[in-house]
Order: sequence, then C-alpha cells, then structure tokens
Amino acid sequence: EPEVTQTPSHQVTQMGQEVILRCVPISNHLYFYWYRQILGQKVEFLVSFYNNEISEKSEIFDDQFSVERPDGSNFTLKIRSTKLEDSAMYFCANRRVPNTEAFFGQGTRLTVV
Amino acid sequence: GQQVMQIPQYQHVQEGEDFTTYCNSSTTLSNIQWYKQRPGGHPVFLIQLVKSGEVKKQKRLTFQFGEAKKNSSLHITATQTTDVGTYFCAGDYWGNQAGTALIFGKGTTLSVSS
Repeated sequence: EPEVTQTPSHQVTQMGQEVILRCVPISNHLYFYWYRQILGQKVEFLVSFYNNEISEKSEIFDDQFSVERPDGSNFTLKIRSTKLEDSAMYFCANRRVPNTEAFFGQGTRLTVV
Repeated sequence: GQQVMQIPQYQHVQEGEDFTTYCNSSTTLSNIQWYKQRPGGHPVFLIQLVKSGEVKKQKRLTFQFGEAKKNSSLHITATQTTDVGTYFCAGDYWGNQAGTALIFGKGTTLSVSS
C-alpha cells in the first residue's frame, strides 16, 4: 500500500520557538493536507495544498502557520512562535485527486513546553 | 465552517454485540468516507460511498449513504476485540477557494470487552 512518511515522529519544543514538520508524499498524489489532532479529540482540518499553493484553509490555519514544498517533493508545515495549545499530533495526508481515498502519515507528535 | 456531526462519541459493547455509528452533514455531500484509527495510530481509509442510498459491505461492516446524501452510518455485526478504535466519517466540501477540504466528524470510539 502507498505510504506517506512524516518526520520527526516526536518533536519537543519550547514555547515561542519555530518548528517545521515534514512529509514525504506518495508519488503522483498531488493533493496535500495537514490535520491536527489534540489528544483524544477529533481530526481537525488545517489546510489543503495543490499545484504549489494553498487551495483551502481552516480558521485554525492563521498567520502562525505556513506550508510549502521547498524542493518539489517534500511538503512542510511551519509553525512560528509555538504556543502550549499547539501541542497535538499533526498528520499529513495525501490524495491522488479530490474526492478519493486520503492516505495519512504516521503523524508527528508535537509537545510545546 | 463546515461541520460533520457524528454520534455517539463513545460506545462500549460486549464482544459479539452489534455497533452502529451515525454521521450527519448540514449540506449535501458529493461523497462520504469512513476511516478507522486504532489507539496510537493514524486514520486508515475504510470505504467511500458516492451514490444516494448506496450500501456497501465489508465482511461484518455495513456502510450506508442516505438518500439525500447528507447522512451515513456504519454498522458492525458481532463485534470483535479487533474492532476497537475510533471510527470517523469524513466529507468533502468545496470551500471559498479552488480546492476541497476533507472534513472529519468527531469520531465514535468503540471499546469491546470479551
């Protein structure tokens, strides 16, 4: 089965620091998504990305967040000036086209202290 | 923003009992997807329903899509301990920009005792 790879698996950072979460998508799956899941809660949509630009974003995805494909393959989520409430599991997801199966990475557990 | 409602939030059953989770959207969906997340894991795709009134089965799992394409259900017959996890429904919504957002319900966490 196709696999989405996320690194790191766990990141601990101090409040106010910047973090970059990385995702290696599936080849030829050109629709990218980031989700956040606070422990025990729902999977919250952050942003979708296609053709090197954001196609949709939620209210959560404010100026603190940014996404990019820096080298045309990896897909990154940058969180500036982290806050305690940013502590969560962050999932990257990948689809070949919209309205089809989404493949999720294993997630990055972000802990802000 | 768009919301997908899902109930119940938690369900505990004895092994062998049936289980059902329900999903509802305020707007018509182009499709509904179901995912399962094991404890400590990531969401894994189970199935997609596209047609109004569609019913699909996977072994002991039965998925339904409502006639109005606004609601869906997942029914598990004779639960087993391997069914433990959180079941999410998810719907695609066209937003204000060019793309779609796959929005998840809050999930139903199933626990099974033997």
